[in-house]
Amino acid sequence: EIVLTQSPGTLSLSPGERATLSCRASQSISSSYLAWYQQKPGQAPRLLIYGASSRATGIPDRFSGSGSGTDFTLTISRLEPEDFAVYYCQQYGSSLTFGGGTKVEIK
Amino acid sequence: EVQLLESGGALVQPGGSLRLSCAASGFTFRSYAMTWVRQAPGKGLEWVSHITASGGNTNYADSVKGRFTISRDNSKSTLFLQMNSLRTEDTAVYYCAKGGFWEVLRVWGQGTLATVSS
Repeated sequence: EIVLTQSPGTLSLSPGERATLSCRASQSISSSYLAWYQQKPGQAPRLLIYGASSRATGIPDRFSGSGSGTDFTLTISRLEPEDFAVYYCQQYGSSLTFGGGTKVEIK
Repeated sequence: EVQLLESGGALVQPGGSLRLSCAASGFTFRSYAMTWVRQAPGKGLEWVSHITASGGNTNYADSVKGRFTISRDNSKSTLFLQMNSLRTEDTAVYYCAKGGFWEVLRVWGQGTLATVSS
């Protein structure tokens, strides 16, 4: 089973700052099957990025994804107030696993 | 508009059963794999089960294997999760999602809460 480890657990930043979230896999995965989701309290997760770097429909271009092999990154170039949330990475190849999440909170 | 609407969550005693449903609309349901994901209170996301578009293949997390059964009725665009021998650790919000193995979870329902407690 592929284990996804996200870091940091919590990121304290101010609006306008850049956020860099990491997702590391226990074994190499195809970048075609790595996704990022955003979840706000009381809401379902929302797809942000799929295929490691493709933005989902309606996602602002301040969100970008990169990486390959075992190391993947979600970058939010300038944090907007609505971006403070929990972010999960996920691999969706021959199995489905989620990382433990990174909470982006207001500093 | 693509929509998924879960129902069936309730309070049930340990050892009991629940059947969750997920009604789909706005897309050709029979063409897509579907997935159940759960989230225990204050915890992260956990994949539960996956079913192929035809319903011919199913997969389960080890934590629910042998107790939960996923199924679908393509004629009614509805996904199901039959949950038996429930444990307190099964308490969670259960989400259905469009997609699964090799297909990103592009659309999610709003979730339904299953509480297992005496």
